[in-house]
Amino acid sequence: GQQLNQSPQSMFIQEGEDVSMNCTSSSIFNTWLWYKQDPGEGPVLLIALYKAGELTSNGRLTAQFGITRKDSFLNISASIPSDVGIYFCAASASGTYKYIFGTGTRLKVLA
Amino acid sequence: DTAVSQTPKYLVTQMGNDKSIKCEQNLGHDTMYWYKQDSKKFLKIMFSYNNKELIINETVPNRFSPKSPDKAHLNLHINSLELGDSAVYFCASSQVDGYEQYFGPGTRLTVT
Repeated sequence: GQQLNQSPQSMFIQEGEDVSMNCTSSSIFNTWLWYKQDPGEGPVLLIALYKAGELTSNGRLTAQFGITRKDSFLNISASIPSDVGIYFCAASASGTYKYIFGTGTRLKVLA
Repeated sequence: DTAVSQTPKYLVTQMGNDKSIKCEQNLGHDTMYWYKQDSKKFLKIMFSYNNKELIINETVPNRFSPKSPDKAHLNLHINSLELGDSAVYFCASSQVDGYEQYFGPGTRLTVT
């Protein structure tokens, strides 16, 4: 089936550093979403992207919808301890009524 | 003012039993979904419903039967539970196909 390749799988960073992660696919999608999941909770929507090339920010988070429509990137600036968690990308093609999820990036922030 | 809610939060049961998970959304969304998250945290869609109609059944065993009594509710009934059914099950909703999707808190199912 379709897959989203998300990288890196995990990363340890120092508080205050910037973080970058990305998601790639061999298929074209019309919507890209980025989520954060804390232990024992459901994924929380961070950013939604609907247009190729679109760059959207939400506080310290910035995400981009790749121009080829096959990838997306998420950047976190000046990381803080509460940024710890698993970040997922998800993508959907029009009319499919489903989202494909990436395998997640596990972020750990060292104070 | 919870947007997407699920009950129960935890479910521990024995093999062979039948159990149900309930989901409700108060966002006025038309589309609802069930996802399964395995022990490696991989999220996979199981079903999607639009306006109470089943749209997607992602090759889920027919022991799993979703039901949508109205647009705000999507329940999941599981017959003859197996060990491999142990996972976290998430309900989600979106206004329309391909739009922002919001998740519930999850139901952790443990089959012994």
